[in-house]
Amino acid sequence: QKEVEQNSGPLSVPEGAIASLNCTYSDRGSQSFFWYRQYSGKSPELIMFIYSNGDKEDGRFTAQLNKASQYVSLLIRDSQPSDSATYLCAVTRSGATNKLIFGTGTLLAVQP
Amino acid sequence: DTAVSQTPKYLVTQMGNDKSIKCEQNLGHDTMYWYKQDSKKFLKIMFSYNNKELIINETVPNRFSPKSPDKAHLNLHINSLELGDSAVYFCASSHNNQGEKLFFGSGTQLSVL
Repeated sequence: QKEVEQNSGPLSVPEGAIASLNCTYSDRGSQSFFWYRQYSGKSPELIMFIYSNGDKEDGRFTAQLNKASQYVSLLIRDSQPSDSATYLCAVTRSGATNKLIFGTGTLLAVQP
Repeated sequence: DTAVSQTPKYLVTQMGNDKSIKCEQNLGHDTMYWYKQDSKKFLKIMFSYNNKELIINETVPNRFSPKSPDKAHLNLHINSLELGDSAVYFCASSHNNQGEKLFFGSGTQLSVL
């Protein structure tokens, strides 16, 4: 079982719709959860982080965390073509030294 | 003012050669990392240094040797390059050693022929 799992996609949504990206993780001790956006040929860029169960909103982005179900999601409201990218879920692995473990990412394609 | 800069951006070389990638950050962060991203976009940590001290050394062949002369610099030297080393290598930094909130460099596309 992979430590962080994401559907590779592509997830195709029409412009203006809500894009829902999902991620599950295996380490119950994980405390911190992140979403990075990576445009083709570019480096990953942090867009959201969440530490507590529930929702966290920042502009058009909402991160949702359910530790009991070991599930993290990212909602993008009013999706724009410029949101088309690969979204990487990342989770800290608990231990003596925390490590950030990435999923393989979900490719989002927003159709104009 | 690039926060995390790495050079070169592209590296094309023959099997068996030795090459280095350099990384510098001007964010004042204490911790720097090397990540490898394969063709399937899987981003995997290789090494982490905190204030010049190696704190994470994943299962990486010992042909890969990181060096941190100071906390703003982290270089990666690779000996005897193999075809399987072809990937994008990202340098990153973070404020502390909790592995969180990484700032990535622009990446080095390594192609071993």
